[in-house]
Amino acid sequence: SQQGEEDPQALSIQEGENATMNCSYKTSINNLQWYRQNSGRGLVHLILIRSNEREKHSGRLRVTLDTSKKSSSLLITASRAADTASYFCATVSMDSSYKLIFGSGTRLLVRP
Amino acid sequence: ETGVTQTPRHLVMGMTNKKSLKCEQHLGHNAMYWYKQSAKKPLELMFVYNFKEQTENNSVPSRFSPECPNSSHLFLHLHTLQPEDSALYLCASSPGGASGGVAKNIQYFGAGTRLSVL
Repeated sequence: SQQGEEDPQALSIQEGENATMNCSYKTSINNLQWYRQNSGRGLVHLILIRSNEREKHSGRLRVTLDTSKKSSSLLITASRAADTASYFCATVSMDSSYKLIFGSGTRLLVRP
Repeated sequence: ETGVTQTPRHLVMGMTNKKSLKCEQHLGHNAMYWYKQSAKKPLELMFVYNFKEQTENNSVPSRFSPECPNSSHLFLHLHTLQPEDSALYLCASSPGGASGGVAKNIQYFGAGTRLSVL
């Protein structure tokens, strides 16, 4: 069954604005990851947050994790046109050491 | 460059053809994956190999046949496909193994093969 659900499905913002994407999941997790995909290309790992962490930063990215609500959010600050891509959350469950379950993704468009 | 190379990048085949997709990773990883990505659907895990052994077959039709001759190479053999099999096929690898903490879960993707079945 599908683990992650992203919200919104699509987001259009102006360059310089912040973009927030949300992800919900269903089962207990070991960690949650965010990936980015440019159109028709492979996915690129952005950031990983462990189940015992609540917040993590990497450059202009900020990820939060609320295990009680089984949800995570990805914030991209001061967005750029080059941030235009699809963003996916993926979870690793407690009983699997390798399998990622991906959500359906958020398509982000950053207008110049 | 992610260290994972997929060939060909584009493939058009008829329903009676036999073709193969190739994936090669130069990262020294122990786990390799095949995914299918169709329009407006989540990424679907197809097969997983750990240390060359298949550890996951996600109810994939037998017209898709994976092969992992060594830890660096992964193939997906295709025969008698259907038009609904048209999609982007992605290969990924991860460190895998029992040690290494959560970093072993991070997957590195190739650029994919865009497959069209006519």
